[in-house]
Amino acid sequence: QKEVEQNSGPLSVPEGAIASLNCTYSDRGSQSFFWYRQYSGKSPELIMFIYSNGDKEDGRFTAQLNKASQYVSLLIRDSQPSDSATYLCAVGPGAQKLVFGQGTRLTINP
Amino acid sequence: NAGVMQNPRHLVRRRGQEARLRCSPMKGHSHVYWYRQLPEEGLKFMVYLQKENIIDESGMPKERFSAEFPKEGPSILRIQQVVRGDSAAYFCASSREAGVYEQYFGPGTRLTVT
Repeated sequence: QKEVEQNSGPLSVPEGAIASLNCTYSDRGSQSFFWYRQYSGKSPELIMFIYSNGDKEDGRFTAQLNKASQYVSLLIRDSQPSDSATYLCAVGPGAQKLVFGQGTRLTINP
Repeated sequence: NAGVMQNPRHLVRRRGQEARLRCSPMKGHSHVYWYRQLPEEGLKFMVYLQKENIIDESGMPKERFSAEFPKEGPSILRIQQVVRGDSAAYFCASSREAGVYEQYFGPGTRLTVT
C-alpha cells in the first residue's frame, strides 16, 4: 500500500463547476496535510494546509480533513481554466519530510 | 525576491562528472529540504537540514549523494559521478522553524546527464 494515494486522473471538470480532489494516507500518526499545485515544468506551489479535523476555506479552495478515515480532500469552487494543473497531496509527521502522492491531473474545460 | 532560490536552473553533465546544486532558503527560514522528481514520477524526499546539521537523510541514496547547509551560504546538494538515472528535477524547500510545518518550494534545478 502506498503511503499517500491519489487518483491520478485526469479529472476533467467544466468551467464554473466544483472540482473535487481526494487523497488517503496510511500513517495514522500524520499531523500535517498539504495541497500543492504544480503546473507542467514548474515547481510545486503551496495552496492549502490543514492540521485539524474539519474544513478549512481560503477563497475558492476548501480543504477537508478526516483523521479517523485517514482522508483529506480539496474542493475548488467556480473552477477556472487557470486551475488546470497537477494537484499534489502531501502528508507530514510534523516539521520534517513530506510524503507526496503521485498527483491528480486536473483539466478545466472552458 | 524573498522566495526560495535555486541555481542553476538547468544543469547538463556528462556521465562521471559532478553536479552541485545550490539552494538559498526564504528569508527568515532556517530549515531546508531537498526533493527529487523523476520524469513521470512523484516528488520524493531526500534530505532535511538545518544550519550545520543533517537532521534526516533517510531518502538520500547511500552512495554518490551528499548534502550540506553551512553556517554561511546556501545549502548544497552534491552528486558525484553522475549517471543517466540521476536526470531529474531537484527541488529545494524551506520552512521557518521547528513546529511550523509549511514548506515552500524553489523553482528547481533540472539536471540532465548525457
